[in-house]
Amino acid sequence: DMKVTQMPRYLIKRMGENVLLECGQDMSHETMYWYRQDPGLGLQLIYISYDVDSNSEGDIPKGYRVSRKKREHFSLILDSAKTNQTSVYFCASSRDSNTEVFFGKGTRLTVV
Amino acid sequence: QQQVRQSSQSLTVWEGETAILNCSYENSAFDYFPWYQQFPGEGPALLIAIRSVSDKKEDGRFTIFFNKREKNLSLHIKDSQPGDSATYFCAASWSNYNVLYFGSGTKLTVEP
Repeated sequence: DMKVTQMPRYLIKRMGENVLLECGQDMSHETMYWYRQDPGLGLQLIYISYDVDSNSEGDIPKGYRVSRKKREHFSLILDSAKTNQTSVYFCASSRDSNTEVFFGKGTRLTVV
Repeated sequence: QQQVRQSSQSLTVWEGETAILNCSYENSAFDYFPWYQQFPGEGPALLIAIRSVSDKKEDGRFTIFFNKREKNLSLHIKDSQPGDSATYFCAASWSNYNVLYFGSGTKLTVEP
């Protein structure tokens, strides 16, 4: 069963706290992504990872960093979270370019 | 600058009607156009996709019509069902580049 798993599904953090969002996939996909979804804006790419330790900034990387030490895991880190980082974060993976992108169920992060 | 635009934030149709969701794009280099379907609380899932060498792609009740010259495309959902009620995202990318650019989504409601 092909799956992208995100943990946790819901998270509330105070402004200034560090946040770690975890993502795993069981499809041995090389490419993984972090998107955020906000009402009226669709999905915006934060970071893309082409393989272990091969990460590139997306359209909105400011305030975020990522870590990929194993092909199946991709983490999103917010150092000192801000209220404008309240959003739904989606992790995704794909085998290669122009193939289906599989999404996880998302993590709803609220920064208060 | 929004690379992919969806003209309607929301659309309501009656059960049995054909729902038409429109999308346009800026970058003429885009050659792959998937549509993703998202239900509340879930991640987006690939519904149907078309490549720019084609002007039509059909899969059951779902059809994409593509106009390369005008840089727009539309998703037609024939015989709409209440179970089709979801948010639909148009996306685009180009060959050998993994990144999908998403539109802001159209929330479709099918009334029984």
